[in-house]
Amino acid sequence: DSGVTQTPKHLITATGQRVTLRCSPRSGDLSVYWYQQSLDQGLQFLIQYYNGEERAKGNILERFSAQQFPDLHSELNLSSLELGDSALYFCASSATDSPNTEAFFGQGTRLTVV
Amino acid sequence: EDKVVQSPLSLVVHEGDTVTLNCSYEVTNFRSLLWYKQEKKAPTFLFMLTSSGIEKKSGRLSSILDKKELFSILNITATQTGDSAVYLCAFIGHTNAGNMLTFGGGTRLMVKP
Repeated sequence: DSGVTQTPKHLITATGQRVTLRCSPRSGDLSVYWYQQSLDQGLQFLIQYYNGEERAKGNILERFSAQQFPDLHSELNLSSLELGDSALYFCASSATDSPNTEAFFGQGTRLTVV
Repeated sequence: EDKVVQSPLSLVVHEGDTVTLNCSYEVTNFRSLLWYKQEKKAPTFLFMLTSSGIEKKSGRLSSILDKKELFSILNITATQTGDSAVYLCAFIGHTNAGNMLTFGGGTRLMVKP
């Protein structure tokens, strides 16, 4: 158990809908990262927050947004969902925003868009 | 564009064999390289390498980074069926958008009894 908690574990929703994925980082970790893993794309970095502020942005669609709250948990909002958004969404956390700090992954949320 | 290429894509070996997984990268502002093992769900951290030529070792696993030739290898000796997984290589590079972790496509290792 990495100490990173993601909910829900599974989510099935229809195209056009909006969903929110939640991540609680390990105790004491200030950085949260979001990743998307689909079969044909591998693990893609979406966005990073550090202590409530956006720190780095990767290949995140405009339909997606995220935030980190004062208690350091983070939410990833996916809207106007398309079939291609079906994927495993991972959250990871690390103690700092330093590139030399290892990140620990949660178990992921499997999103299926039908 | 920064990228990470892993080879081979997949590998099937028998217990007791030694395997070498390769990771090459092209990155503008390299910070560090990481190896992860992914079984059914979440990737689990194996190694972080920042300095060239220094081997990191953990039990039967070891890894080394060559910053001049831009590659890293992950060695697994005396493989066991429990080593079956996808091994992911990733690097952290600094861009205008911040420090980003970019993953390779992974090497799928299957260890047969």
